[in-house]
Amino acid sequence: DGGITQSPKYLFRKEGQNVTLSCEQNLNHDAMYWYRQDPGQGLRLIYYSQIVNDFQKGDIAEGYSVSREKKESFPLTVTSAQKNPTAFYLCAARPSENTGELFFGEGSRLTVL
Amino acid sequence: AQSVAQPEDQVNVAEGNPLTVKCTYSVSGNPYLFWYVQYPNRGLQFLLKYITGDNLVKGSYGFEAEFNKSQTSFHLKKPSALVSDSALYFCAVRDLNAGNMLTFGGGTRLMVKP
Repeated sequence: DGGITQSPKYLFRKEGQNVTLSCEQNLNHDAMYWYRQDPGQGLRLIYYSQIVNDFQKGDIAEGYSVSREKKESFPLTVTSAQKNPTAFYLCAARPSENTGELFFGEGSRLTVL
Repeated sequence: AQSVAQPEDQVNVAEGNPLTVKCTYSVSGNPYLFWYVQYPNRGLQFLLKYITGDNLVKGSYGFEAEFNKSQTSFHLKKPSALVSDSALYFCAVRDLNAGNMLTFGGGTRLMVKP
């Protein structure tokens, strides 16, 4: 099946630990995105990448890092510097044309204990 | 800067009745508008989009949306609601003059009661 795969679905971490969320796509889309979703709030953009080996900060990049070494993969690391990391994280991809919609993965729920 | 407003946190309708989920937007240029639906603990699913052309856009699962340029609105509608339509709905706008980024509204929870 074509789509976006996020893993793990659920993740628990202790304070002070870094964790990496995986996002893989087989849609051959150029652009990939990471969003954070908190209860009662909309989606907030963390990082995005429009091409391999290039990425840009979104609105809430502090405490997060990403890499884009391959077109198919856009992992997100939640570092210990992120003060409130408990949230639902969504990865998305989009074709290069401007009219294209985002395709989302199923999300990863991170809980800090 | 572009923005999207979904003025209702929650909309309640009875099954079989028509539903409307409201969305207004603000952009500097021509907007590209989108609706997504999210079920609990799932990713967002694309419903429909307006790029250009007819103001009434038809999408998945019987949903449609009406683009109104003068009122800067893009309300989501369905003639007859189903209990299975209960979910969280997001409106989003892309402004090519604002870096081509997608901005999401805060979401509206739709509750359809039997």
